[in-house]
Amino acid sequence: RKEVEQDPGPFNVPEGATVAFNCTYSNSASQSFFWYRQDCRKEPKLLMSVYSSGNEDGRFTAQLNRASQYISLLIRDSKLSDSATYLCAVNFGGSNYKLTFGKGTLLTVNP
Amino acid sequence: GAVVSQHPSWVICKSGTSVKIECRSLDFQATTMFWYRQFPKQSLMLMATSNEGSKATYEQGVEKDKFLINHASLTLSTLTVTSAHPEDSSFYICSARGVLFTEAFFGQGTRLTVV
Repeated sequence: RKEVEQDPGPFNVPEGATVAFNCTYSNSASQSFFWYRQDCRKEPKLLMSVYSSGNEDGRFTAQLNRASQYISLLIRDSKLSDSATYLCAVNFGGSNYKLTFGKGTLLTVNP
Repeated sequence: GAVVSQHPSWVICKSGTSVKIECRSLDFQATTMFWYRQFPKQSLMLMATSNEGSKATYEQGVEKDKFLINHASLTLSTLTVTSAHPEDSSFYICSARGVLFTEAFFGQGTRLTVV
């Protein structure tokens, strides 16, 4: 089993749609979780940290389910500008806080 | 967020030559820097982790003699791809983390093409 596994996608949705991404992780001792957004040929940019209590930032909601070892990202009222690859990242612990990334899910929002 | 600058943003080199990529934290002290490689349509694969003043820790399968990492100061780490070959062509990205952060911040990436 891969350490971090993500919905393969790609997702093609119309503007205004709600889209959800899921990501599972193998290490139950994982300590912190993130969603990144990566535009084509660019570096990843941090979108949200993910907390057990769930967190929301405008149209974006992230949730963590420790029991089932998955994190999710929900995008409501999707915009054309949301088109990008979404990567989940997990810190498995340790002093260096190194992140293990999922393969990414490509989202295309169509007019 | 904190700012990490990576240079150059792209480079083309001849097979057999070496290429150095710099990663700088501009407004914080980066106690830890990470180097990733990303092939087209693939995820970021961690190559190595470096802590300031100590030797880098390489991930399994990454040749430490080919990918030389130096982290001599709290604001600068370098990755040197030695004797580059076409299969080394990839997108190399650094990220840096300071003591006060749980997240790491990415540089802009370097697109290396070896011809």
